[in-house]
Amino acid sequence: DGGITQSPKYLFRKEGQNVTLSCEQNLNHDAMYWYRQDPGQGLRLIYYSQIVNDFQKGDIAEGYSVSREKKESFPLTVTSAQKNPTAFYLCASSIGAGGDYGYTFGSGTRLTVV
Amino acid sequence: AQTVTQSQPEMSVQEAETVTLSCTYDTSESDYYLFWYKQPPSRQMILVIRQEAYKQQNATENRFSVNFQKAAKSFSLKISDSQLGDAAMYFCAYRSAIYYQLIWGAGTKLIIKP
Repeated sequence: DGGITQSPKYLFRKEGQNVTLSCEQNLNHDAMYWYRQDPGQGLRLIYYSQIVNDFQKGDIAEGYSVSREKKESFPLTVTSAQKNPTAFYLCASSIGAGGDYGYTFGSGTRLTVV
Repeated sequence: AQTVTQSQPEMSVQEAETVTLSCTYDTSESDYYLFWYKQPPSRQMILVIRQEAYKQQNATENRFSVNFQKAAKSFSLKISDSQLGDAAMYFCAYRSAIYYQLIWGAGTKLIIKP
């Protein structure tokens, strides 16, 4: 079945560590997105990529980095510069660059700072 | 800047009855897309329904339908014959035809009473 796989499901980070969240899709979608979700809030865009080797910052990119070396993969690194990283992270993809037909989401990664 | 408002943080409905979730948005654009997403306890976002602003006909997907009032900038979701599996957070989202970012509402928690 086609879909988006996010791993791990739960991730714990110590202060000062960088951690990487994985996102892989086998839908042949062009665009991929990373969102952060905090309790009681809607989703906030961290980064997005419309084509391989290109990506743009979203509303809350500070403290995060991404790469898009393959169409199928869009990993997110949460760096030590992100002061409040505890949140739920969702990866999504869409046909075409604009997502006119909506997004397909992964099942998310819950990141906790310990 | 576009904004999306969901004024009902929580709604409850008896199983088998009908419920309407409200969403309003603010934009100066004439062409755009609107979406409703469902986030069940598993936390994976699922696209429920999509509306193109230039289409006057309200979108329908099985028990889910929308009431799209473009002049009033309103996009409500009606769920008929509510089922226990409909219990979830519901998010309304706006996407400009020009800019590729989705603007999200804060969500409405839907409770289904058996």
